[in-house]
Amino acid sequence: DAGVIQSPRHEVTEMGQEVTLRCKPISGHNSLFWYRQTMMRGLELLIYFNNNVPIDDSGMPEDRFSAKMPNASFSTLKIQPSEPRDSAVYFCASSSTGTGAYEQYFGPGTRLTVT
Amino acid sequence: GENVEQHPSTLSVQEGDSAVIKCTYSDSASNYFPWYKQELGKRPQLIIDIRSNVGEKKDQRIAVTLNKTAKHFSLHITETQPEDSAVYFCAAGAFSGGYNKLIFGAGTRLAVHP
Repeated sequence: DAGVIQSPRHEVTEMGQEVTLRCKPISGHNSLFWYRQTMMRGLELLIYFNNNVPIDDSGMPEDRFSAKMPNASFSTLKIQPSEPRDSAVYFCASSSTGTGAYEQYFGPGTRLTVT
Repeated sequence: GENVEQHPSTLSVQEGDSAVIKCTYSDSASNYFPWYKQELGKRPQLIIDIRSNVGEKKDQRIAVTLNKTAKHFSLHITETQPEDSAVYFCAAGAFSGGYNKLIFGAGTRLAVHP
């Protein structure tokens, strides 16, 4: 298995631009998580989905952030408009709730820089 | 709200010594406690986990202990090696049905000196 796939790996954009991050979970996993990591705030859960349905979006910082999961193999995290304080590494992770295996597997991350 | 506190924030040891990282959690319903290792520029990777029905789990040089009464759990690394140098994160989750959210600690930066 290729593991969790994220794209792009690096994104540099100017303030005010729209940014879309993409994630493909591990095949067969039905839970998908978006995290943001910064030195100041550590690893924060932004939102997670079970069976393509958003379960908890309490970590989404503000209305500029939105996430979708149109099917079991694809999710997007969109920031519009982007701001310099959004600069961070964004991780996607997936897991399975069906077998009682709770392990979350992280993707390689997208390093976002907003200038 | 849910919270996980992790100590120390940095830890420096000599090669061959033991390292201990401690975490406390606030949600008494928590039943799953994983530990992740993150090397510089890499993704967090699961190294060991423990569930609430077990008090201790060991995997070679790594062990985790859990005290549910006190709501704290610890990671123990014995015979440390330079390649153990990384940031370690603890996490806690109250898993039931379709609810499987993890709350992460702030991380411990471990440096193992040769």
